[in-house]
Amino acid sequence: GAVVSQHPSWVICKSGTSVKIECRSLDFQATTMFWYRQFPKQSLMLMATSNEGSKATYEQGVEKDKFLINHASLTLSTLTVTSAHPEDSSFYICSAKSDTGELFFGEGSRLTVL
Amino acid sequence: GENVEQHPSTLSVQEGDSAVIKCTYSDSASNYFPWYKQELGKGPQLIIDIRSNVGEKKDQRIAVTLNKTAKHFSLHITETQPEDSAVYFCAAGPGYQKVTFGTGTKLQVIP
Repeated sequence: GAVVSQHPSWVICKSGTSVKIECRSLDFQATTMFWYRQFPKQSLMLMATSNEGSKATYEQGVEKDKFLINHASLTLSTLTVTSAHPEDSSFYICSAKSDTGELFFGEGSRLTVL
Repeated sequence: GENVEQHPSTLSVQEGDSAVIKCTYSDSASNYFPWYKQELGKGPQLIIDIRSNVGEKKDQRIAVTLNKTAKHFSLHITETQPEDSAVYFCAAGPGYQKVTFGTGTKLQVIP
């Protein structure tokens, strides 16, 4: 199946710093990628839809100025958590939509903010 | 919006037994129902999906059933193996991309 890679797989940062997470579709082009947040033992919550070449669409309650999304190419979307605080600690997962419409998920990135 | 409920939240079965996970959804416009398996520290992987024009789909030891009238769908795993142990999520939505996930079921297969 198609491969979606996330980097880094885990990151620890100090409160107030910004962290960038990358999502790459390795063997297909994805005009649309999605970013999710998952708290321990909970389900995936869609944060935003990332569209190549245009602004991301954020779900209700998600701060667009805090979670910056950039989809500059057909194989890369980035999520930047700005001025991170301990409550932003979570497991962030991306998915990419293939040309057949299927979703392929990345391995996830665990963010810990101290 | 769509609301997906999933039961049970945890499930322990003996190796070789069957496991059944059930989900209900609220939006009658939903017509795509995927199931994902998530291992610890990893992203979800699609294991099987079903569309609303089909009542049942099977892939080796895994099967999914759908009752659109009652708005519920189920995952059946037969002859469970220890490597089936993971968290399973159901989801529902109008298409591939806009799905709402269930709350997850932690399946433990006891050798």
